[in-house]
Amino acid sequence: DIQMTQSPASLSASLGETVTIECLASEDIYSNLAWYQQKPGKSPQLLIYDASSLQDGVPSRFSGSESGTQYSLEINSLQSEDAATYFCQQHHDYPPTFGGGTKLELK
Amino acid sequence: QVQLKESGPGLVQPSETLSLTCTVSGFSLTSYSVSWVRQPSGKGPEWMGRMWYDGDTAYNSALKSRLSISRDTSKNQVFLKMNSLQTDDTGTYYCTRDGPLTTSFAYWGQGTLVTVSS
Repeated sequence: DIQMTQSPASLSASLGETVTIECLASEDIYSNLAWYQQKPGKSPQLLIYDASSLQDGVPSRFSGSESGTQYSLEINSLQSEDAATYFCQQHHDYPPTFGGGTKLELK
Repeated sequence: QVQLKESGPGLVQPSETLSLTCTVSGFSLTSYSVSWVRQPSGKGPEWMGRMWYDGDTAYNSALKSRLSISRDTSKNQVFLKMNSLQTDDTGTYYCTRDGPLTTSFAYWGQGTLVTVSS
């Protein structure tokens, strides 16, 4: 199985700041990477697919990028509603696998 | 609009079989694939298996010996059955649907909490 190593496990940031969450794939996944946001007690919501394509309805302050097997989610101009846990997921090979998650707290 | 809703027992005895139903609306099961994904409390999700739009199935090899996914297209339902449940099978179980442009999970049900305990 492809391993997805996500970092950091948690971070704290202030309103208006920019944060970056990273995900390292154990092998080439050819940009087949998705990012999800999950709030407590809720289902995950797709933010980005194919590494950098924004899902319909997702604010443009969310963006994704890649460099080799390293993938990044950037959130600009943090809003209070961005406090959540974020997961990456590869959909290149079976089984689809997820990262361990990053919990984002707003100061 | 696209909706998925899981249903099933909240409590299952160890060694028993879990049966869950995903009832969908707003799309056809013969046009889109539905996956089951589970998530232990405080951990990352785990993909369990997929019912393809053409009726084929795919399973996580870690669960394949215990898992079966089927469907009834006339009722817009996808079913999950998993036997020999243990306490580490406790978690929230979701059904999900692929997006129109991606095989990642664009739509999720609300999830159903399954607790394995005697």
